[in-house]
Amino acid sequence: AQSVTQPDIHITVSEGASLELRCNYSYGATPYLFWYVQSPGQGLQLLLKYFSGDTLVQGIKGFEAEFKRSQSSFNLRKPSVHWSDAAEYFCAVGTGTASKLTFGTGTRLQVTL
Amino acid sequence: GAVVSQHPSWVICKSGTSVKIECRSLDFQATTMFWYRQFPKQSLMLMATSNEGSKATYEQGVEKDKFLINHASLTLSTLTVTSAHPEDSSFYICSARERRSTMNTEAFFGQGTRLTVV
Repeated sequence: AQSVTQPDIHITVSEGASLELRCNYSYGATPYLFWYVQSPGQGLQLLLKYFSGDTLVQGIKGFEAEFKRSQSSFNLRKPSVHWSDAAEYFCAVGTGTASKLTFGTGTRLQVTL
Repeated sequence: GAVVSQHPSWVICKSGTSVKIECRSLDFQATTMFWYRQFPKQSLMLMATSNEGSKATYEQGVEKDKFLINHASLTLSTLTVTSAHPEDSSFYICSARERRSTMNTEAFFGQGTRLTVV
């Protein structure tokens, strides 16, 4: 069965600093890859996705992610974090279909001023 | 486009009662909807796949008699938590996949329903 690992449970960064959230997956082929953000008590907002093609994908709010097949990774990055980015971030994969997802355990981002 | 709406956004119910949560695709027809559950400070776990006009497919460990799913139309799926207990308190979120879809078609998420059983 597929699995998704987000090694960092909690990350704290200073506002203006760069950010990288890690995501690794276990699956025999290239899965459909997603990053979602969830603010406290809220639903999910899609940041970006990768299905095929260019391995560096751009998303909303200045986020980007890079698919690295050799490392089975899909890390999320942002050059300069804003205080409003504080939230829970979930990496998710779809295997065989892009609609039925397996989620990672999430990374809680705290931003200090 | 691709808006999915859940109702209610939050609900508090007494232990032993049943609660129905609706998931609607507002601007598209959805043959398949997915129900996830998120315990506090945890990840989302797929509970079941809801298919229009047929029985839902439940993930291992999910009690189908406890969590009744009905997908009677192409725009509506409902999740009923029967005889709710405090341990059923959770955040329930649905997603919907458009009728004319391929493997590459992603599902769109509702805003979630927070259930508190007292």
